[in-house]
Amino acid sequence: KNEVEQSPQNLTAQEGEFITINCSYSVGISALHWLQQHPGGGIVSLFMLSSGKKKHGRLIATINIQEKHSSLHITASHPRDSAVYICAVINTGNQFYFGTGTSLTVIP
Amino acid sequence: GAGVSQSPSNKVTEKGKDVELRCDPISGHTALYWYRQSLGQGLEFLIYFQGNSAPDKSGLPSDRFSAERTGGSVSTLTIQRTQQEDSAVYLCASSLEPRLGNYNSPLHFGNGTRLTVT
Repeated sequence: KNEVEQSPQNLTAQEGEFITINCSYSVGISALHWLQQHPGGGIVSLFMLSSGKKKHGRLIATINIQEKHSSLHITASHPRDSAVYICAVINTGNQFYFGTGTSLTVIP
Repeated sequence: GAGVSQSPSNKVTEKGKDVELRCDPISGHTALYWYRQSLGQGLEFLIYFQGNSAPDKSGLPSDRFSAERTGGSVSTLTIQRTQQEDSAVYLCASSLEPRLGNYNSPLHFGNGTRLTVT
């Protein structure tokens, strides 16, 4: 069983749609990261959360510590949002556990 | 530049040879992480350094893998007697010192080293 489960694995959306990617985890965590990996392979850290909600532009990330669940939302999606989105959690020993990623394709 | 720098960007080596991968973290970042991503696979945590403390090696896949961090800055990941299954992109990330319960240090990733073992 993976410590971090993401859904969906693949997602295709029309430009402008509201997108939600979910992440559930089974370990005790210090923090949760949402990462974005573009087709060229570069990885960017979008958010780091330990509680509540964060917003950056069209991206919103929420976390519910009690339910061990986080969501990444993209409002007004755009083709340039097409990427793999990865959920990663850090346990109290600063070890990382990664989800397998959600591949998002936004069609113009 | 101000980002995490990794070298080389690509490395092709013969099976059985040793390789060294280098990571220069962002200046002032005390936490340094190594990961790898095999073709078509997700990210895999390898090792974590915090300042000058002994590293957490729990993610290293075998004793052929080792890493060091000199002076709390530059890190090298060494793979001895490389095998074909070691082929992957090796990524380094750094952050400010993580604080339990007050985690507000985002990760900054390097562009990775693509290792191909033939």
